[in-house]
Amino acid sequence: GQNIDQPTEMTATEGAIVQINCTYQTSGFNGLFWYQQHAGEAPTFLSYNVLDGLEEKGRFSSFLSRSKGYSYLLLKELQMKDSASYLCAANPDTGRRALTFGSGTRLQVQP
Amino acid sequence: GAVVSQHPSWVICKSGTSVKIECRSLDFQATTMFWYRQFPKQSLMLMATSNEGSKATYEQGVEKDKFLINHASLTLSTLTVTSAHPEDSSFYICSARGLAKNIQYFGAGTRLSVL
Repeated sequence: GQNIDQPTEMTATEGAIVQINCTYQTSGFNGLFWYQQHAGEAPTFLSYNVLDGLEEKGRFSSFLSRSKGYSYLLLKELQMKDSASYLCAANPDTGRRALTFGSGTRLQVQP
Repeated sequence: GAVVSQHPSWVICKSGTSVKIECRSLDFQATTMFWYRQFPKQSLMLMATSNEGSKATYEQGVEKDKFLINHASLTLSTLTVTSAHPEDSSFYICSARGLAKNIQYFGAGTRLSVL
């Protein structure tokens, strides 16, 4: 089966750092993705980890530990526009199956 | 990142009519396209997986005769909601994945309102 867990909601302050955790259990695994989705809009791709370790891309970083079935998305220097849902998604295999998405974490950035 | 174009972005139609939604990969060949539905404040729900030149694979509970999917080329997939009813009102989003990169890119979504 496929199961992805992430917190439902988080609140953080503008300028701060926030870490959104994700744990996954999938029958196969070929990479972990993070997407950002603003209300009423489609998801946009943020990051992709297939090997263990940290991937940094500007203010956003993503970490993966395959042995622990764990990933996190780190957002630095938070801005008001970062208020959105952040979706964790696992690629179950190397075939043509769709990503398995978590329910998303709604992040509210406050002044 | 890669560009996926989805049209129309907003549709209002009468109950009983059919609506066609187009999804195009603009700068890559999409061997596989996916169609999702999302209700307000809920997660993405995969409806079907579409591979170019073959029949779509529908998720459990999704009526294939109601949601017709055609993937005629490596850059175009269409979803037709046949005989739409108010309960079909939702946000429909397509996603495309190419051979070169193992990343799903999303279209902007289509908001369907059935009166």
